[in-house]
Amino acid sequence: DTEVTQTPKHLVMGMTNKKSLKCEQHMGHRAMYWYKQKAKKPPELMFVYSYEKLSINESVPSRFSPECPNSSLLNLHLHALQPEDSALYLCASSLRTSGTYEQYFGPGTRLTVT
Amino acid sequence: GESVGLHLPTLSVQEGDNSIINCAYSNSASDYFIWYKQESGKGPQFIIDIRSNMDKRQGQRVTVLLNKTVKHLSLQIAATQPGDSAVYFCAEEGPREYGNKLVFGAGTILRVKS
Repeated sequence: DTEVTQTPKHLVMGMTNKKSLKCEQHMGHRAMYWYKQKAKKPPELMFVYSYEKLSINESVPSRFSPECPNSSLLNLHLHALQPEDSALYLCASSLRTSGTYEQYFGPGTRLTVT
Repeated sequence: GESVGLHLPTLSVQEGDNSIINCAYSNSASDYFIWYKQESGKGPQFIIDIRSNMDKRQGQRVTVLLNKTVKHLSLQIAATQPGDSAVYFCAEEGPREYGNKLVFGAGTILRVKS
């Protein structure tokens, strides 16, 4: 199984809502990532988890709150988002964070903030 | 910070022709490079990778060339097919002091004409 799954596929939320994005992998990877991708732009790194611990936060606003409950799951909790946060949110995983390990990407969650 | 860039934002090729997508990188300390393909509505899909101790690597119909002297990376696709139409991103893994983060280039749109 070389698949990273993400739910939901699409999400529309208001600026006062609280929602969560979910990501799952069963490849035994110990590194998991959240990326944000705006239209016609490359993915931009948001967070990195290594062995279920947050290792990198790319100065992401606190309205985005990541969580790694176990080695297979990664969540992104959303609260009080702004319309400019509308984007494709991609989850990825790799065997480790260090070294030359390929990152596998999920299909993404298309988020629209109204 | 360091960044990876691409020379051509859009490339149109005839079906059956070979395609060459170029990428310039700026961090001479990067030691791992990946090409990803992203189709509309999907997450990036791994195509091929190369480590800095190599200058060429071949896959099925794809070849990646790395020229460390001029910090240039290219992806060659042989006998391009309509299914190859997508956005192609090069990505470099930054050195350990940057957390081994993956930095993506701007992307090149490949359009295959039948």
